[in-house]
Parts: sequence; C-alpha cells; structure tokens
Amino acid sequence: KQEVTQIPAALSVPEGENLVLNCSFTDSAIYNLQWFRQDPGKGLTSLLLIQSSQREQTSGRLNASLDKSSGRSTLYIAASQPGDSATYLCAVITGNQFYFGTGTSLTVIP
Amino acid sequence: GAGVSQSPSNKVTEKGKDVELRCDPISGHTALYWYRQSLGQGLEFLIYFQGNSAPDKSGLPSDRFSAERTGGSVSTLTIQRTQQEDSAVYLCASSLYRSLYNEQFFGPGTRLTVL
Repeated sequence: KQEVTQIPAALSVPEGENLVLNCSFTDSAIYNLQWFRQDPGKGLTSLLLIQSSQREQTSGRLNASLDKSSGRSTLYIAASQPGDSATYLCAVITGNQFYFGTGTSLTVIP
Repeated sequence: GAGVSQSPSNKVTEKGKDVELRCDPISGHTALYWYRQSLGQGLEFLIYFQGNSAPDKSGLPSDRFSAERTGGSVSTLTIQRTQQEDSAVYLCASSLYRSLYNEQFFGPGTRLTVL
C-alpha cells in the first residue's frame, strides 16, 4: 500500500523567507501528485498538480517538483506571506486511489 | 453560489444509528470524490464517481459505508450502524472530469460526531 509522509509536521518562519515543504511516497508507480492547502475549518484548495511525466509545476510564488525515482516531491514557497499560513497536504494518485500525507502546518510570522 | 455544497454541515448521532450525508457538486462536473478527515489520521480517500459509476469501492472503510450518485449530480454517502470511530469530517469534491488533469473543488465538509 502506498504510504505518503510529509516533513516537517509543523514549520514556523518569519515573513519574507523562502521555504521548502517535503513529501515522500513509497510506491513510485503514481499517476500524478497534487499539493493542496487547507485553512482551519475549511475545505481543501488545490495548488499544483504534477503529472507523472513532469518534473515540476509553477504557479506564482509556488513551485512543486517531482522525482518519481526517489519517491519525493517538494513544494517551494518564495517570499512567504502571513496569508500563506495553512496546512499543506500532498497527495499521490495510484490506480484509482488517492493517498494523502498528514500535512505540514505552516505559520508565517508577520 | 456555484461551489460544492454539503449537507448537513454538522451531524450528531447516537452509536448504531444510520446517517446520510449529501454532496451537491458544481454543475457540469462529472467526477465526484468523497474523503474522510479524522483527527490524528489525516485525510483518507473513500470513493470517487465518474458519472454515476464508482470504478473502485475498495477505499470505503467497511461494508457499513455505501455511496451512490444519481443523475450524474447529487451524491449521498450512507453510514449504517454508526460507530464512534466514524466520527470525522467528511469532505466532498468535484472536478470537471477525471483525466490526466483533474483540479478538484472541495466542499466545506460535514462534521459527523457519533456519541
């Protein structure tokens, strides 16, 4: 069974810093990988989706990379802002199943 | 209001009772997904529908869980003989289609508490 791990579980940074969130998975036979953010008491918002044939995707200050062979993905957030504070989840799609990591709780301090 | 809606927003029930959770996807979205988010256990994928069909039901936690979708729109998740471990937030999402790119749009969730 696919297992997805996210490190660190929590991260606190001052505003303006660049940061990296990590996601690792055990089965490299993934269909694609998706990064989400979840704000307290709310649903999830899709951030970036990387297809299995791609190496990275960018959207604004966000950049996600994928290395299937090593079972890793990173989400890079440039010039962090207090509004980036949320829980970030990665999910891999294997077959007809989604597997989520437990998330990284990010706090950006003004 | 063109987003995904779920009802009820909160449900408190007694152990052993059946509950039905409803999801209204974004109009025109053919794919619909159910997830469960339990405290301390992260987000768990339950099932997805392409149209009215669910290709893989193996993500459902037990045979007490069932889901259906009719008319390619509304979906219901039914939990029979609820147990305390069923307490969680149940999230629904929809996407335009399930293909290589499928941006999912999430509803606000239903918080289920089983006493």
